[in-house]
Amino acid sequence: GESVGLHLPTLSVQEGDNSIINCAYSNSASDYFIWYKQESGKGPQFIIDIRSNMDKRQGQRVTVLLNKTVKHLSLQIAATQPGDSAVYFCAELNAGNMLTFGGGTRLMVKP
Amino acid sequence: DAMVIQNPRYQVTQFGKPVTLSCSQTLNHNVMYWYQQKSSQAPKLLFHYYDKDFNNEADTPDNFQSRRPNTSFCFLDIRSPGLGDAAMYLCATSRDQAYTQYFGPGTRLTVL
Repeated sequence: GESVGLHLPTLSVQEGDNSIINCAYSNSASDYFIWYKQESGKGPQFIIDIRSNMDKRQGQRVTVLLNKTVKHLSLQIAATQPGDSAVYFCAELNAGNMLTFGGGTRLMVKP
Repeated sequence: DAMVIQNPRYQVTQFGKPVTLSCSQTLNHNVMYWYQQKSSQAPKLLFHYYDKDFNNEADTPDNFQSRRPNTSFCFLDIRSPGLGDAAMYLCATSRDQAYTQYFGPGTRLTVL
C-alpha cells in the first residue's frame, strides 16, 4: 500500500551544524506534503509544507526539498539549536485527503 | 491567539470505565480530527468530522465514538477502555480537507 517512511530513526547533530531529515514516499500522485515537529509530551507542530508543483520551499531556518523523480522529501534545518530537539514527522496527503504520517525521526542536538 | 485546546491534558481511568476527552477550537475550521498516538509511533487517525458529517476510519474499534455538537467542540468517547487504549490522543483541525492540519497539545490517557 501507499506509505510515507523515514530513513533514519535518530539523528544526532552538534549545535550550530545543519540538520537534514529525510523522508521517502511511495504514492507518486501525492501533491501535498507537510513537516511536523513534535516535542516530548506535546502535539505535532506545523513547520513547513510544500506542494508538488514546487521543488523547494524556505522558511525561517528551515528548507523543504521535494524530489518527485525519486519520491523523496527532506527537511533541512540551518544552524541547529537545542530547541530543535524533537521528533520530526513528514506527512503526505493521501487520495482521501487524509494525512499519512511517516514513522518519525528523533533529532538530538548536542551542545 | 486562535488555537486548538484539549482537556484534560492528563486523564487516568480504570479498565472498563467510560471516559470522555474534549477538544475545542477557535479557528472556526470545518474539519476536526481525532488521532491516537502510542509511544514512539506516528499519529493514527481514528475519525474526523467534516462539519457535521462523521467519517470513521475502517480499522477504528467500535469502542471509540465521537460527537461534534457544534463547530467549536468535538469529543472522543471511549466506552470501555482497555489497557491497550493507553496512549496520547490528539485533536487536530483544518480549514477544509486537503488543507494543513493544526494539532492540539494532546491528552495523555492512562488506563489502570
